[in-house]
Amino acid sequence: GAVVSQHPSWVICKSGTSVKIECRSLDFQATTMFWYRQFPKQSLMLMATSNEGSKATYEQGVEKDKFLINHASLTLSTLTVTSAHPEDSSFYICSAKEYGGNQPQHFGDGTRLSIL
Amino acid sequence: AQKITQTQPGMFVQEKEAVTLDCTYDTSDPSYGLFWYKQPSSGEMIFLIYQGSYDQQNATEGRYSLNFQKARKSANLVISASQLGDSAMYFCAMREALYGGATNKLIFGTGTLLAVQP
Repeated sequence: GAVVSQHPSWVICKSGTSVKIECRSLDFQATTMFWYRQFPKQSLMLMATSNEGSKATYEQGVEKDKFLINHASLTLSTLTVTSAHPEDSSFYICSAKEYGGNQPQHFGDGTRLSIL
Repeated sequence: AQKITQTQPGMFVQEKEAVTLDCTYDTSDPSYGLFWYKQPSSGEMIFLIYQGSYDQQNATEGRYSLNFQKARKSANLVISASQLGDSAMYFCAMREALYGGATNKLIFGTGTLLAVQP
């Protein structure tokens, strides 16, 4: 089946640092990738949608300058949390899908980010 | 109005029994897809099953089946012969405008936490 690799799985860092999270589709070409944030015991909150080679589309309320998304190839997207603060601590999870409306999103294993 | 509604925040089921997780949806688009995902405590989201709005038959994948009732706008997930490893959070999701102009976004429900008891 389709595999999406997300790295790192767990990050602890100091307030003010920037953190980059990678999302790779290992065995398929991901025309679209998504970045979600999930708070404990809640559903996934879509942050942004990115299509390969174009700028990401951010959901309302998500700061573009805070959460930088790059989707430079059909197999790699990155999310950079810039100048992270404790309120940015969360579970971040990416997904990727092939072209086609009936294709499912395949998710990475997520990244637990803790800002101290 | 909520696009995806999962009314059961949590459920218990005995091992080896079947369980139904409810999902209702709201859309005016004739072309849509419904997805179910499983999220264990470790956090990963696992795709389980898909049902397209034009599909004539209910989707099945192993022990998972989808009870699709289009007129009632419901897409309940049925898990047969529950196993301890089925204990997880289950999310129902919908994608609208499947063909032509698709946004590709999934709209998720709030999830149902299933606990399988031995």
